Amino acid sequence: DAGITQSPRHKVTETGTPVTLRCHQTENHRYMYWYRQDPGHGLRLIHYSYGVKDTDKGEVSDGYSVSRSKTEDFLLTLESATSSQTSVYFCASHRDSTDTQYFGPGTRLTVL
Amino acid sequence: AQSVTQPDIHITVSEGASLELRCNYSYGATPYLFWYVQSPGQGLQLLLKYFSGDTLVQGIKGFEAEFKRSQSSFNLRKPSVHWSDAAEYFCAVAPDAGNMLTFGGGTRLMVKP
Repeated sequence: DAGITQSPRHKVTETGTPVTLRCHQTENHRYMYWYRQDPGHGLRLIHYSYGVKDTDKGEVSDGYSVSRSKTEDFLLTLESATSSQTSVYFCASHRDSTDTQYFGPGTRLTVL
Repeated sequence: AQSVTQPDIHITVSEGASLELRCNYSYGATPYLFWYVQSPGQGLQLLLKYFSGDTLVQGIKGFEAEFKRSQSSFNLRKPSVHWSDAAEYFCAVAPDAGNMLTFGGGTRLMVKP
């Protein structure tokens, strides 16, 4: 709906390695979000951004950092991946005209 | 802080039967309320939302939801389920303008032929 893409779509990595996930949106939305999805927990907010270089922590931010150098790109970095960070990661952006968040297709990350 | 509870983790219904998925929220004022659907391996798609006004809201794919302030509920309904409705459904609440969503744990719907 909002032209949101995520890359990579799947990744397998080893404990202790750094990982960066990319979210790209084409609609010039100001707000962008990173969530993780785990069974029984729904989606939980990791970090969000309200503009270029403006970011803040969400509910489960420990072990994650983000950066937003351009409106269209929002990066999520796991500095040193752990097995507890095995999850499906979703990016979203907020369309002001409809007061609604729209989601990307997700990235499945496995940390061995 | 707001919270959302979806009491049913799994629900199985027969094709053609009616469906009701429950959602209860905790929030001091009237929140913004959303239902999203996630098909296997896909992202989340918005079904419907409630901000104000008529408490019965219509969404896509024949779904509707009713906001009941007295019960702090926003249950999702469909009169006749199709096999393609099999998916996971998430209720979400935001304090304003849909900016900061809190999600329930989700309800997985299975449809029997």
